[in-house]
Amino acid sequence: DQQVKQNSPSLSVQEGRISILNCDYTNSMFDYFLWYKKYPAEGPTFLISISSIKDKNEDGRFTVFLNKSAKHLSLHIVPSQPGDSAVYFCAASARSGGSNYKLTFGKGTLLTVNP
Amino acid sequence: EPEVTQTPSHQVTQMGQEVILRCVPISNHLYFYWYRQILGQKVEFLVSFYNNEISEKSEIFDDQFSVERPDGSNFTLKIRSTKLEDSAMYFCASSGQGQNYGYTFGSGTRLTVV
Repeated sequence: DQQVKQNSPSLSVQEGRISILNCDYTNSMFDYFLWYKKYPAEGPTFLISISSIKDKNEDGRFTVFLNKSAKHLSLHIVPSQPGDSAVYFCAASARSGGSNYKLTFGKGTLLTVNP
Repeated sequence: EPEVTQTPSHQVTQMGQEVILRCVPISNHLYFYWYRQILGQKVEFLVSFYNNEISEKSEIFDDQFSVERPDGSNFTLKIRSTKLEDSAMYFCASSGQGQNYGYTFGSGTRLTVV
């Protein structure tokens, strides 16, 4: 049951160009979305998040866009740098109600930024 | 910057043995979690813990698994009788309240069951 889907297992871009990573979700109860970056043998590192009441959130080179009607979000990295090369995970949470905020992860997209 | 600390970084155990994975969450966080990632697969939720009790667990978290917060700082995951398929990276996470509630992961424990 893939409630969060990242359909591109890998993406390769040139340094300085834009990287666009996509994520789709099926559970309409999700109201908070996060992007994590992960290097091998390390834990996921938080990058940026967005609440369902917004359609865009920007933090430096990273921007996340949310299209609720399409149940789609994307992470834009501009300009891409070689140090951005990592696996990027999309995660979603249903914050309203309950006593926990478990995250449901996508399978990840391996981004390679070529010098 | 506050960190979630996990020990050990790598644990090798024989099938059928008990293992305890340890975590020190961020001190002012209220919610604690365990996730795991089998090699090549996605990160999967195991269990969440709040107010000294389990608030949710996944179907993976069967009777062989248990969690405990024994002393107000540590958060442990115990696997009573390990199986080969328990081999994975286990990540502890903690979160508080707020915009992204500071959801922070530890660097993981690689569990290898032989």
